[in-house]
Amino acid sequence: EVQLVESGGGLVQPGGSLRLSCVVSGFTFSIYDMHWVRQPPGKGLEWVSALTTAGDTHYPGSVKGRFTISRENGKNSLYLQMNSLRVEDTAVYYCVGEPIGNNWFDPWGQGTLVTVSS
Amino acid sequence: QSALTQPRSVSGSPGQSVTISCTGTSSDVGYYNYVSWYQQRPGKAPQLMIYDVNKRPSGVPDRFSGSKSGNTASLTISGLQAEDEADYYCCSYADSSYVFGTGTKVTVL
Repeated sequence: EVQLVESGGGLVQPGGSLRLSCVVSGFTFSIYDMHWVRQPPGKGLEWVSALTTAGDTHYPGSVKGRFTISRENGKNSLYLQMNSLRVEDTAVYYCVGEPIGNNWFDPWGQGTLVTVSS
Repeated sequence: QSALTQPRSVSGSPGQSVTISCTGTSSDVGYYNYVSWYQQRPGKAPQLMIYDVNKRPSGVPDRFSGSKSGNTASLTISGLQAEDEADYYCCSYADSSYVFGTGTKVTVL
């Protein structure tokens, strides 16, 4: 069974930091490009970061310089280090796989909620 | 990168067809044949329904179909069923980044 399990969400003050983790099972993690996608409460989806199997990283302007995506293939794990958090970063964060070079998202985790508030 | 534009809602009776549009630009939808569609039920993670404009993953019913013309992609649900009631999002690749649509709520009357 394919599973992606996120953890590390919670309440943090503006300007603070948080590190999300995602442990995957049921598919060959090392041959998947991986992403984080977020969804603010009651709103739409926003792509947040990508990490290819070749080690290339990509971010949208809204998080570039503040967020860092990384992975440990030996632990089947994906991470998102989030610094200088803003109220507008409040969202459910999904860990998502992309079969290498396919430009679509599948499978998805169930998400972890990050709340940035004072 | 601005979000792709989708109608806020569409509705139809069981058995009818509905079409959701997804309008981007010549830098995303219009340039790449990498448009995908996702279904999201309340409280659940999104699920891939269409990829590469018009391909269906195994397990997705053939009443779901995709197409593209110029800067606008479309998702059509034929023979609408009660279980199709959900939010739908399009997504396009755009030069090492991805942009999602604003989302459309499909209501089965």
